[in-house]
Amino acid sequence: GQQVMQIPQYQHVQEGEDFTTYCNSSTTLSNIQWYKQRPGGHPVFLIQLVKSGEVKKQKRLTFQFGEAKKNSSLHITATQTTDVGTYFCPYNQGGKLIFGQGTELSVKP
Amino acid sequence: DSGVTQTPKHLITATGQRVTLRCSPRSGDLSVYWYQQSLDQGLQFLIQYYNGEERAKGNILERFSAQQFPDLHSELNLSSLELGDSALYFCASSLLGQGSGELFFGEGSRLTVL
Repeated sequence: GQQVMQIPQYQHVQEGEDFTTYCNSSTTLSNIQWYKQRPGGHPVFLIQLVKSGEVKKQKRLTFQFGEAKKNSSLHITATQTTDVGTYFCPYNQGGKLIFGQGTELSVKP
Repeated sequence: DSGVTQTPKHLITATGQRVTLRCSPRSGDLSVYWYQQSLDQGLQFLIQYYNGEERAKGNILERFSAQQFPDLHSELNLSSLELGDSALYFCASSLLGQGSGELFFGEGSRLTVL
């Protein structure tokens, strides 16, 4: 069945370094979303990608959806301590929004 | 504030007991989702309701049940509790229930089973 793997599971960076997390699917995705969960908080929607090759930016965050709609990435430029948290890329599976383990980002000041 | 309200925020109970978690969706949202988050399992989809009807089911145990009422609030019932049921239970809501579109999450209900 459809499966989306997110890597890495953990990432530790120095403040100011860039960070990227990747989601790779075995099958074509209809869309993919990105959420951020701060420590002790709840997931918060960041963005949804629908179109092949789509690139969207939100300040220091850049989201991409692959041409084949099988992979997606989130890139953060010059990380800040406020970027700490777990980033998820849930995907639509028969109307269900399936989350995985996410990528936990820690930022050392 | 997402507009989704979950009660209780914290719950401590014993093995074998039964608890009910409640969720009030954002005003106007018709769909409610329940997720379980534990340290080693990530965010696991349990069940989804749309306008009172069950829409999709995930890896929800038979000891767990849920429903969505006519006023669109939802309850998740967990029975014969085991230690492994200790987790954070999130409710989320969305306008529609087709797996696309933003989900708004509540603050969660933290269940501890002793």
